[in-house]
Amino acid sequence: KAGVTQTPRYLIKTRGQQVTLSCSPISGHRSVSWYQQTPGQGLQFLFEYFSETQRNKGNFPGRFSGRQFSNSRSEMNVSTLELGDSALYLCASSITGALNTEAFFGQGTRLTVV
Amino acid sequence: GNSVTQMEGPVTLSEEAFLTINCTYTATGYPSLFWYVQYPGEGLQLLLKATKADDKGSNKGFEATYRKETTSFHLEKGSVQVSDSAVYFCALSAYNQGGKLIFGQGTELSVKP
Repeated sequence: KAGVTQTPRYLIKTRGQQVTLSCSPISGHRSVSWYQQTPGQGLQFLFEYFSETQRNKGNFPGRFSGRQFSNSRSEMNVSTLELGDSALYLCASSITGALNTEAFFGQGTRLTVV
Repeated sequence: GNSVTQMEGPVTLSEEAFLTINCTYTATGYPSLFWYVQYPGEGLQLLLKATKADDKGSNKGFEATYRKETTSFHLEKGSVQVSDSAVYFCALSAYNQGGKLIFGQGTELSVKP
């Protein structure tokens, strides 16, 4: 079956702009989580959506937002981009997001802010 | 709060050497524990998991045992190959946290022929 698909793979944006990243989970998966990966901070949790509702949120400013659609596809948006937002953004899906269920990751979107 | 601490890398080994990557955690209750692997330019892949104390997760020759008394989940492999070169992440999922994974900083492994 198809894996988690993230689009686009690469993005270059200018400071102050906004960006939208997309994630299509594995068919049947209802939980989608987003992570930011940087060399300095490692992998940090942004938020999780389950059945179109945000279920959990990390410690990121309000410029970072997301949503999930009825088909479980998810988008995350970053407004007023800063240089420090340059990172690999990873999306993960799981069937329910329960304690011991496996999360499957996409290949990520590499965002560069200039 | 919940956290994961991994040994710092990079770790450089010769082919067929024994591998240990240390991982300790802090969490309330009984978290599930995972090892993920990231190859260059790729996302993360689940390597193995353990969901309760004394469980041993294993896959592709890698093993890790959930030790509640030492709050550890060390990754081991008896004989590494060049193809094992990657970054390894220890992670936990805590009770009532939904799909949130908390990751360690990652340990880069380089295996030389």
